Amino acid sequence: NAGVTQTPKFRILKIGQSMTLQCTQDMNHNYMYWYRQDPGMGLKLIYYSVGAGITDKGEVPNGYNVSRSTTEDFPLRLELAAPSQTSVYFCASSPRQGGRTEAFFGQGTRLTVV
Amino acid sequence: AQTVTQSQPEMSVQEAETVTLSCTYDTSESDYYLFWYKQPPSRQMILVIRQEAYKQQNATENRFSVNFQKAAKSFSLKISDSQLGDAAMYFCAYRSARSNYQLIWGAGTKLIIKP
Repeated sequence: NAGVTQTPKFRILKIGQSMTLQCTQDMNHNYMYWYRQDPGMGLKLIYYSVGAGITDKGEVPNGYNVSRSTTEDFPLRLELAAPSQTSVYFCASSPRQGGRTEAFFGQGTRLTVV
Repeated sequence: AQTVTQSQPEMSVQEAETVTLSCTYDTSESDYYLFWYKQPPSRQMILVIRQEAYKQQNATENRFSVNFQKAAKSFSLKISDSQLGDAAMYFCAYRSARSNYQLIWGAGTKLIIKP
């Protein structure tokens, strides 16, 4: 059971370049999330999705875009990378929203923008 | 706005001993949920334990238990019989009952286990 899979695990980008962080889950979860984790800080929500075709902004959406064409996949697009986007990015999914629902996380992508 | 504070950037404990990690939060709400997640060197976040604010009884999961003090807005994690595999970052998180998706995270505590 793979759970939530993120690729790549590491990436170095030059300022102004673009890239897509891939996320796929095999648990048939409707709800998916993208977080970023900066050193010494807690996770911040970038975007989330409640199902295929439905996405919405979280706390820190600027500089990012997402799409959700299938239940399984939730890619995160970085356009015109900036040094401020250097971070570790986590994708997560959950079977339900809210309450005591557990979120299942991928192993993260460490992105450095130089 | 709600905030979560973990005041201990790093803690260390001798193997087989007990350690307590602190978490405080600020909210004006009465209905919410609290979580402790573990992040080992592999980076993958794993749920350790969770607590509903409406429950007075403290949650326990094997060697992990919490001390939930609602009036003090405190949610500490106690790890008994510490094992080398417990070494990780530990994050406290808060979710309002009114929010379907938003988790508010603390900055984390790095736990070191001394053999």
